[in-house]
Amino acid sequence: NAGVTQTPKFQVLKTGQSMTLQCAQDMNHEYMSWYRQDPGMGLRLIHYSVGAGITDQGEVPNGYNVSRSTTEDFPLRLLSAAPSQTSVYFCASSVDRVGEETQYFGPGTRLLVL
Amino acid sequence: GQQLNQSPQSMFIQEGEDVSMNCTSSSIFNTWLWYKQDPGEGPVLLIALYKAGELTSNGRLTAQFGITRKDSFLNISASIPSDVGIYFCAGHQNTGNQFYFGTGTSLTVIP
Repeated sequence: NAGVTQTPKFQVLKTGQSMTLQCAQDMNHEYMSWYRQDPGMGLRLIHYSVGAGITDQGEVPNGYNVSRSTTEDFPLRLLSAAPSQTSVYFCASSVDRVGEETQYFGPGTRLLVL
Repeated sequence: GQQLNQSPQSMFIQEGEDVSMNCTSSSIFNTWLWYKQDPGEGPVLLIALYKAGELTSNGRLTAQFGITRKDSFLNISASIPSDVGIYFCAGHQNTGNQFYFGTGTSLTVIP
């Protein structure tokens, strides 16, 4: 049981490049989400999904795309990287049953955009 | 989005001391979660609380779900150097799908 896995662990991009951050979970959770973490800002929600085929925007969605074709995978795409997207990105998956809500995080992807 | 006010922002304590931190909100939450994040790692779930007034322990950690549903507290007893890290609170409301996070308490334990 690997929990939530993320790849890559580190990435350097040039402005304008695109890339996909991968996230997978093996806990059969319906709810998955992407956050970015910046110094002094805490965790900010980018996009989330309540199940395969369903995605929605969070607090800071601009410049990012997501899709959810399977329960297990929830990739995050940067369409045209900008220096403002330099951050640490965390994927999370959640138990969404009332009275049992918990959220588990992956190890993170550290992204530097030059 | 919802704001969770977490305090203190940082703490410097001597090894062996007890630690207390809290999280408050202007809104009611039905779930409170506490996480610890080590440098270079993702947040790790420490304690989950689901009922107002609930008091739950995990080793030297004890967390409480405030009776008003608008706050939660985390206490660490007899701190040790490996307690160093950033502690986050998170709240969840049954009316939505999102978790809301505090900005974290950075804990430094001086041996």
